[in-house]
Amino acid sequence: DVVMTQSPLSLPVTLGQAASISCRSSQSLVYSDGNTYLNWFHQRPGQSPRRLIYEVSIRDSGVPDRFSGSGSGTDFTLKISRVEAEDVGVYYCMQGTHWPWTFGQGTKVEIK
Amino acid sequence: QVTLKESGPVLVKPTETLTLTCTVSGFSLDNDRMGVSWIRQPPGKALEWLAHIFSSYEKAYTTSLKSRLTISKDTSKSQVVLTMTNMDPVDTGTYYCARTPETTWEPLDWWGQGIMVTVSS
Repeated sequence: DVVMTQSPLSLPVTLGQAASISCRSSQSLVYSDGNTYLNWFHQRPGQSPRRLIYEVSIRDSGVPDRFSGSGSGTDFTLKISRVEAEDVGVYYCMQGTHWPWTFGQGTKVEIK
Repeated sequence: QVTLKESGPVLVKPTETLTLTCTVSGFSLDNDRMGVSWIRQPPGKALEWLAHIFSSYEKAYTTSLKSRLTISKDTSKSQVVLTMTNMDPVDTGTYYCARTPETTWEPLDWWGQGIMVTVSS
């Protein structure tokens, strides 16, 4: 199974400052069709997860442009350019290239 | 409007079999080429993907629980069912269903609200 490793696991941030989360996979996430099925989800306390980004860098509808995804192969990053209060919660990366699908351990973002 | 809603028992005893149902609306399980997954989350812990059923009825399971899981669907009822045998207290957690459009392959774009299941005698 593909292991997804996120860092850091806890990320205290100041409002208005940038934040960055790393996600590494144990094998390449490039599928045979040439696409890379790496996704990012955000889960606020007490809520269901919500997908933010798919295929490494494509933002879902309604996701603010302060969120951006990048990376390739086995190394990926989610960046928040200016953290707002509503961005707190846990962020998960997840690979949809290989079966079984797997999630990272999650990164908890909180305001300092 | 797309919705998914999980239902089932909130309390099961150890060794019992858990049966959860995901009822969907706003899309079709057969005509729209949509797949549905189950994902769970123990209290305070990370998400764990469990199983997926394709529009073609093909199935996929997580490796560690494969022997205990069965996913199926009834398209006439717009329902996807997950059964998990031999439940244990470590299986306590919130269980979610989520859909995946197969034409664009954008995994888990819509999620249900989840159902909290406790395993206890």
